[in-house]
Amino acid sequence: SQTIHQWPATLVQPVGSPLSLECTVEGTSNPNLYWYRQAAGRGLQLLFYSVGIGQISSEVPQNLSASRPQDRQFILSSKKLLLSDSGFYLCAWSAAFNQPQHFGDGTRLSIL
Amino acid sequence: AQSVTQLGSHVSVSEGALVLLRCNYSSSVPPYLFWYVQYPNQGLQLLLKYTSAATLVKGINGFEAEFKKSETSFHLTKPSAHMSDAAEYFCAVSQSRGSNYKLTFGKGTLLTVNP
Repeated sequence: SQTIHQWPATLVQPVGSPLSLECTVEGTSNPNLYWYRQAAGRGLQLLFYSVGIGQISSEVPQNLSASRPQDRQFILSSKKLLLSDSGFYLCAWSAAFNQPQHFGDGTRLSIL
Repeated sequence: AQSVTQLGSHVSVSEGALVLLRCNYSSSVPPYLFWYVQYPNQGLQLLLKYTSAATLVKGINGFEAEFKKSETSFHLTKPSAHMSDAAEYFCAVSQSRGSNYKLTFGKGTLLTVNP
């Protein structure tokens, strides 16, 4: 069966520090991959999605970036975090775009 | 652009009572619709999906949803609430853009179950 792993579960970072969140999927090949941010009471905001290695689509302009160095690995990064980057970050995968997305357990990011 | 509206950011029911969570969508093409549940500090878990087959869709944990095209609705119901149903629920619609799709989520409905 397919599984998705996200780490770390929680992270506290100072403003201006770099960020790297990692997500890996097991048990499937060539998945579509997604990064979302969830702010309290505001639902989910799609940040990036990827249909293959090295292929990244950005949904919103921001100081975050994403990379997909391997088929089942998706990384969310920032060179300098802002206070507004705080939130709950979720990675997800799907077999195809019109198929359900399956989510990891998320990373709670707090910026001080 | 497609959108999803969840009526009621917070719904409170008694244990054993009917659960009704409302979702309305807008779409210019036949949609794919989904309901997800999120427990505190966890990711989203798929409850059920509508993909243009039967209009009444049964999901996990006793939930079901009915697709009503004339009302552009996809409300989630459960006949008898259990304490373990307390969570946040998200309705989502697939959005086609060329050959690509993405999910557009509603803002969520927090379900509280009172003993």
